[in-house]
Amino acid sequence: GAGVSQTPSNKVTEKGKYVELRCDPISGHTALYWYRQSLGQGPEFLIYFQGTGAADDSGLPNDRFFAVRPEGSVSTLKIQRTERGDSAVYLCASSLGQLSTDTQYFGPGTRLTVL
Amino acid sequence: QQQVKQSPQSLIVQKGGISIINCAYENTAFDYFPWYQQFPGKGPALLIAIRPDVSEKKEGRFTISFNKSAKQFSLHIMDSQPGDSATYFCAALIYGQNFVFGPGTRLSVLP
Repeated sequence: GAGVSQTPSNKVTEKGKYVELRCDPISGHTALYWYRQSLGQGPEFLIYFQGTGAADDSGLPNDRFFAVRPEGSVSTLKIQRTERGDSAVYLCASSLGQLSTDTQYFGPGTRLTVL
Repeated sequence: QQQVKQSPQSLIVQKGGISIINCAYENTAFDYFPWYQQFPGKGPALLIAIRPDVSEKKEGRFTISFNKSAKQFSLHIMDSQPGDSATYFCAALIYGQNFVFGPGTRLSVLP
């Protein structure tokens, strides 16, 4: 595809459930980022992949959050035992990955609502 | 020290006017400053970016002004159009690390 795609676009779940959010980056982009955007706030960094490995996961808020990118392309963000405070838009971005200043191209996000 | 402050929170401008959004930072290690534009239901998109060795950068109707000593930078949108109505985020980066975003400014340009 031409851009970064994310599925689902919306996810409603109940407190305590497990959710998976998927990101398909731009083909050929080696760097992939996950951000969380709460209402009225800027994106907040969660984790950064360079290829298959997590190069920086310092933004993950706790051990309920986990992300994988097994083949260096598609990535999945996994949230266990969801809490109401996890409700936000989860954004994925990809870049060529050669420099930290490479343009990051964002997907439209997944809006997660935890009831 | 990792925060980027942004003002105003919201801005209303008449068509043809100048929109000005300001950002400030504390960490002098920041060395790359982009601005992102976000429309409802979309992800942010890079608009323009500047490095601290330059005081101004212009691309079309969009200009970044950078004041290194004051640790401030601003986005100016000349001849603002209704199509510019969106939320704008400033951000800052330390090379090799990750972006820190401001809280955003919601711009409305009246026709």
